[in-house]
Amino acid sequence: EDQVTQSPEALRLQEGESSSLNCSYTVSGLRGLFWYRQDPGKGPEFLFTLYSAGEEKEKERLKATLTKKESFLHITAPKPEDSATYLCAVPNPIGNQFYFGTGTSLTVIP
Amino acid sequence: KAGVTQTPRYLIKTRGQQVTLSCSPISGHRSVSWYQQTPGQGLQFLFEYFSETQRNKGNFPGRFSGRQFSNSRSEMNVSTLELGDSALYLCASSAGLRTDTQYFGPGTRLTVL
Repeated sequence: EDQVTQSPEALRLQEGESSSLNCSYTVSGLRGLFWYRQDPGKGPEFLFTLYSAGEEKEKERLKATLTKKESFLHITAPKPEDSATYLCAVPNPIGNQFYFGTGTSLTVIP
Repeated sequence: KAGVTQTPRYLIKTRGQQVTLSCSPISGHRSVSWYQQTPGQGLQFLFEYFSETQRNKGNFPGRFSGRQFSNSRSEMNVSTLELGDSALYLCASSAGLRTDTQYFGPGTRLTVL
């Protein structure tokens, strides 16, 4: 069965302490991997789309990378305002449906 | 460009009642997807509408239904509410291709007492 798995479930970082979040997927025929940020009580906010292995995208302190079986979201020198849940998602190859991981809850401590 | 809007933002209902949630997609988007988000299950796909037709459906009971209007606005209905239906209901709009980015609204927080 197609699956998206994110790790770790939760991550606490000191301000300025860089780290990476992982998203692994088993869906066949990948047609894009999407990263979102979600703040408590709000809808997910789109961050990046990656389409092919080796692709990288950056936005401020975030950089997303993609391999054939997983994606990483690297956070460089995070700030408290980066605290949120980060979700990854992949489209179902045969239907207009996104499979979402359960997310990584990131807390950045000042 | 205005984003996805959802109304109402908060709802409190009692078991057995029914509820209707509304979603207005980004202008020009023809696809609307609905998701249920709970702490234990994450985002679960309910259904997707494109040009007034349900194009895809998740594994939810028939109490969950939806529709889409000619202006792409969509409604979701839940009948005979159960305690377990308490969740954040999210609507996402996209241009319509299978791999198009989905843009989410702020959600409707439904509490069933």
